Amino acid sequence: DSGVTQTPKHLITATGQRVTLRCSPRSGDLSVYWYQQSLDQGLQFLIQYYNGEERAKGNILERFSAQQFPDLHSELNLSSLELGDSALYFCASSRGGQQNTGELFFGEGSRLTVL
Amino acid sequence: GNSVTQMEGPVTLSEEAFLTINCTYTATGYPSLFWYVQYPGEGLQLLLKATKADDKGSNKGFEATYRKETTSFHLEKGSVQVSDSAVYFCALVSSGSARQLTFGSGTQLTVLP
Repeated sequence: DSGVTQTPKHLITATGQRVTLRCSPRSGDLSVYWYQQSLDQGLQFLIQYYNGEERAKGNILERFSAQQFPDLHSELNLSSLELGDSALYFCASSRGGQQNTGELFFGEGSRLTVL
Repeated sequence: GNSVTQMEGPVTLSEEAFLTINCTYTATGYPSLFWYVQYPGEGLQLLLKATKADDKGSNKGFEATYRKETTSFHLEKGSVQVSDSAVYFCALVSSGSARQLTFGSGTQLTVLP
């Protein structure tokens, strides 16, 4: 158990819809990262938050947004969903954020299926 | 930009066989290198790391040596077990980037009894 909690574990929705994925980091971790894992793209970094502020942005679509709340949990919002958004979405956390050491703790993921 | 190239899978071995999963990288600056493992139905876990040239990372019988001259970080284990069946990801963090992990495509390992 990594200590990172993600909900929901599975989600099935239709094209055009909007969903929210939630992540609670390990106790004491200030950074939260979101990754997308798909068969064709592999594991892609989406976005990082550190102590409530956006820290780094990767290959995140404009239809996607995220935020980190004062209690340090984070939400990833996916809107105007397309079939190609079907993937496993991972949240990860780490202690710091000023210098990413690469040592992340991953949750079990939220599997999104868009029909 | 940064990139990681892993050997194509899947890899199928018998129990107690020797394992090598090749990984090479391209990076700006002086990267730290990692192997992560993903067991079925779980998130990724850090398996081992090396932060500078000639460092050897090791954990659970797995080893990998940071070879700057060949830009490689191959994963090895002398005797695999059925419980080692998983997907293995090579990754790097470089001081020249936004310091985000760049992952390889992953290598599926299946160990048969």
